Amino acid sequence: NAGVTQTPKFRVLKTGQSMTLLCAQDMNHEYMYWYRQDPGMGLRLIHYSVGEGTTAKGEVPDGYNVSRLKKQNFLLGLESAAPSQTSVYFCASSLTSGSSYEQYFGPGTRLTVT
Amino acid sequence: DQQVKQNSPSLSVQEGRISILNCDYTNSMFDYFLWYKKYPAEGPTFLISISSIKDKNEDGRFTVFLNKSAKHLSLHIVPSQPGDSAVYFCAATLISNQFYFGTGTSLTVIP
Repeated sequence: NAGVTQTPKFRVLKTGQSMTLLCAQDMNHEYMYWYRQDPGMGLRLIHYSVGEGTTAKGEVPDGYNVSRLKKQNFLLGLESAAPSQTSVYFCASSLTSGSSYEQYFGPGTRLTVT
Repeated sequence: DQQVKQNSPSLSVQEGRISILNCDYTNSMFDYFLWYKKYPAEGPTFLISISSIKDKNEDGRFTVFLNKSAKHLSLHIVPSQPGDSAVYFCAATLISNQFYFGTGTSLTVIP
């Protein structure tokens, strides 16, 4: 049982390049989330999904897109990377919001945009 | 604007003593609060939570207190151990889909 995994662990992009971060969970969780963590800012919610085929905006969604084509995967896309998107990105999943609020986090992806 | 605040960036405590980490929030509609622990180069891990209808929840060495009138919660760790050294985040949720995290407090437990 791997829990929540994230691919890649590190990435350096040039301004304007695009990339996709992959999050996978093997716990059959309904809810999945993407956060970014910046110094002095804590974790901020980018987008989330309450089930396969559904996505919704979080606190800081601009510049990002997401897709949840399969229940176990949640993809975060950057279409045209900007230096302001340099951050550590965490994916998380939870069973349901009704029975448990506990989120399980992946190890993070450190992204640098130059 | 930050809805959940942790005003102490760091805290140092002697092993065996009590660690008290504090968190303030601004939205009185938050219905659930959580504490997470984070080690370097790892994702946060869930520690303990409390519903807004309670004022205390205890799990082993960890106790969370909620003071709704003051919009304040705290995490008590007794006794503190060196392995507790980590960054602690408090989080709050309104409708359970969106979670708001504080900026974290780095706890160092000195042996």
